[in-house]
Amino acid sequence: AQSVTQPDIHITVSEGASLELRCNYSYGATPYLFWYVQSPGQGLQLLLKYFSGDTLVQGIKGFEAEFKRSQSSFNLRKPSVHWSDAAEYFCAVVQRPSGGSYIPTFGRGTSLIVHP
Amino acid sequence: DAGITQSPRHKVTETGTPVTLRCHQTENHRYMYWYRQDPGHGLRLIHYSYGVKDTDKGEVSDGYSVSRSKTEDFLLTLESATSSQTSVYFCAISELLNTEAFFGQGTRLTVV
Repeated sequence: AQSVTQPDIHITVSEGASLELRCNYSYGATPYLFWYVQSPGQGLQLLLKYFSGDTLVQGIKGFEAEFKRSQSSFNLRKPSVHWSDAAEYFCAVVQRPSGGSYIPTFGRGTSLIVHP
Repeated sequence: DAGITQSPRHKVTETGTPVTLRCHQTENHRYMYWYRQDPGHGLRLIHYSYGVKDTDKGEVSDGYSVSRSKTEDFLLTLESATSSQTSVYFCAISELLNTEAFFGQGTRLTVV
């Protein structure tokens, strides 16, 4: 089965510091890749997505992510974190499994804590 | 914000009782999904629908059934609720399977 791995359950950064959240997926074919953010008590909101083309994609709220095919990774970055970025972040992959249909799969999430 | 409404937003029910959660969309999107969110597990797909009366199972479908009689409504039913089904349930919609999903606000279900 396809899988999405977010190796960091929690990450703590100081306000103003840079951030990188990691995401790896299990499939070899190029998938459709997404990062979502979830504030407490809310649903998920799309930050950015990658379908094809330039492997560095820009999203909302100053976030960017880079697709690296050789590493099967799609890491999320932000150069300077704001206190309002504290939230849960989910990486998601949509890819066609062998002989099947597209199935969306989410990672387990990374909780971002921002210290003042 | 995408027009997705989940009801109820909170529910407490007893073990063994049937429960139905409703998702209503006003976007006319083809695909609708039900996920459950649990600590340490992220979001796991329960069922999804690719059209009226067209549904398929997700990763954790046991104990759940769904129905979609209209484009705008997708119902999730727990035929006989168990404590392991205590969770936060999210509905999502998308135009295509490989496009971004829009999420509802979630339903917190507690089975006692």
